[in-house]
Amino acid sequence: KAGVTQTPRYLIKTRGQQVTLSCSPISGHRSVSWYQQTPGQGLQFLFEYFSETQRNKGNFPGRFSGRQFSNSRSEMNVSTLELGDSALYLCASSPEVEGEKLFFGSGTQLSVL
Amino acid sequence: AQKVTQAQTEISVVEKEDVTLDCVYETRDTTYYLFWYKQPPSGELVFLIRRNSFDEQNEISGRYSWNFQKSTSSFNFTITASQVVDSAVYFCALSEAWGSARQLTFGSGTQLTVLP
Repeated sequence: KAGVTQTPRYLIKTRGQQVTLSCSPISGHRSVSWYQQTPGQGLQFLFEYFSETQRNKGNFPGRFSGRQFSNSRSEMNVSTLELGDSALYLCASSPEVEGEKLFFGSGTQLSVL
Repeated sequence: AQKVTQAQTEISVVEKEDVTLDCVYETRDTTYYLFWYKQPPSGELVFLIRRNSFDEQNEISGRYSWNFQKSTSSFNFTITASQVVDSAVYFCALSEAWGSARQLTFGSGTQLTVLP
């Protein structure tokens, strides 16, 4: 079974731009969660989607948004990028049984200049 | 609010030594999950173990073992006979058992370096 796939692997943007990151979950997994990892704040939960609906949301500004498609693929969008948005963005999918077990992708490393 | 503390920022050992990674947590929930994840240089977080708050049995899996003590709110991880391939950042994490089970609160991680 293929793992969680995130694209692109690396991204460089400038302040004020917007960016869209993509995540394809493991086949059969309907839940997709997003996390931000920075040296200063560590790993922080962004949001979770299940069956195209946002189920939980972390403490991030409205510039961070996401969506999930009918095939469970998910995208997250960050608008009006700030320098502090530079981070590794990790996507995780989970099965319906033992759904608390997350399977992570390798992440998208976003650099904001 | 939930909190996970990994006081050890970096640990360095020589191959074949045993090493224990500490994890202390805080939660008001009576039912919760505890996790350990490994993050190699490639970046993805690799699931190692999940423990339900009702299950205080220690667990051993090969060279890995976990000691869960509810009385001290600790969930420590021991690697026996460490190997160079064990070098990675290890994260302890906590989540509610229901509803927001996929919303993990992570510790700051422990960078483990195993020297040959």
